Amino acid sequence: TQLLEQSPQFLSIQEGENLTVYCNSSSVFSSLQWYRQEPGEGPVLLVTVVTGGEVKKLKRLTFQFGDARKDSSLHITAAQPGDTGLYLCAGAAGGGNKLTFGTGTQLKVEL
Amino acid sequence: NAGVTQTPKFRILKIGQSMTLQCTQDMNHNYMYWYRQDPGMGLKLIYYSVGAGITDKGEVPNGYNVSRSTTEDFPLRLELAAPSQTSVYFCASRLQGFYEQYFGPGTRLTVT
Repeated sequence: TQLLEQSPQFLSIQEGENLTVYCNSSSVFSSLQWYRQEPGEGPVLLVTVVTGGEVKKLKRLTFQFGDARKDSSLHITAAQPGDTGLYLCAGAAGGGNKLTFGTGTQLKVEL
Repeated sequence: NAGVTQTPKFRILKIGQSMTLQCTQDMNHNYMYWYRQDPGMGLKLIYYSVGAGITDKGEVPNGYNVSRSTTEDFPLRLELAAPSQTSVYFCASRLQGFYEQYFGPGTRLTVT
């Protein structure tokens, strides 16, 4: 069974602070995705990374896929209240038919 | 396009009752998935389908059944509801060759 552990589990910060969320596994993934989920809604895809060492930027969000494709990180610069939500990493192995979701990081950004 | 729709939004069941959670997508996606999510946690895969007539078990299939008679619909059946099945259930779909899964709004199920 593949497991994806996210840390921290909870994060409460002030607007303008920077933060990093980690997603770690002992398994190798062919691709890794990050989703954000708001209360009462389904997850929405933020980014997909497929190459070891790949870095993708989406405005204030920076995503990195580890060289060995076993881990990933999400860095948010100058967090805003609109960034509040549950952040989920999800890895696909082999043919990619199925995703294994991480344990989730609940982020709260306060004014 | 409506995307992925799920009904009902909320449901309360008594122990031992049965029900079907409905999921429909209008994007002509061949892959469809059912997940459950417990409070503040990630999603666990229950069942998935790679096309009409083909289904396979995920990580937590016990207590559930699925069918896929059409591309659009992927219902999830609970035969004998148990308190451990209290959760939020999400349906998702994906087009072959693309990574992104599109999620429905979820069904919140309580079994008492």
